[in-house]
Amino acid sequence: GESVGLHLPTLSVQEGDNSIINCAYSNSASDYFIWYKQESGKGPQFIIDIRSNMDKRQGQRVTVLLNKTVKHLSLQIAATQPGDSAVYFCAESDPLYGGATNKLIFGTGTLLAVQP
Amino acid sequence: DTEVTQTPKHLVMGMTNKKSLKCEQHMGHRAMYWYKQKAKKPPELMFVYSYEKLSINESVPSRFSPECPNSSLLNLHLHALQPEDSALYLCASSQGTSGIQETQYFGPGTRLLVL
Repeated sequence: GESVGLHLPTLSVQEGDNSIINCAYSNSASDYFIWYKQESGKGPQFIIDIRSNMDKRQGQRVTVLLNKTVKHLSLQIAATQPGDSAVYFCAESDPLYGGATNKLIFGTGTLLAVQP
Repeated sequence: DTEVTQTPKHLVMGMTNKKSLKCEQHMGHRAMYWYKQKAKKPPELMFVYSYEKLSINESVPSRFSPECPNSSLLNLHLHALQPEDSALYLCASSQGTSGIQETQYFGPGTRLLVL
């Protein structure tokens, strides 16, 4: 299940199940979004991105869905594996910046815990 | 290759010390970034360099001093830090293509402890 509180929101899933991590973004003018995975003690790792002219984009075992109407982004991970355990951050690119001066606005993050 | 390297991996320093963090990328990226990340929090932007010029300073205290000697290197000079500055310091880079918002690639970070 999912819990939100004083600690990092956590999503706990069984190995082999599909995972869905949600994110609400702040600026209706934002047109570029990224999902990052951060394992303990490491830097954020790019997973997948999407631009606002798309509703859905698929990668290997991952799918990002974008709902501009409600400013919502989700990351779906198919057949979740123990190696997927990490903190997942969504990020939106601040529309006031671009090109050689990018500014990302990060979400608070979700801890995905995969139970064997 | 989407690799950003950072040295050192770990750093312990006293409040009177001067130290430097280093970041390097060989992807031909023209935008480079410093972030600070506290435990269980998202990265917070500190500085952005665009074509070797400082383009964003997010009101960072002057005890943090960035430097971009060339398009591949980014340094962060530290002086008279406080214990609350202890954090993971992340470097990132992006292509810097004019008019396009784009992915930032992160290094592994330097874990800093200020005593």
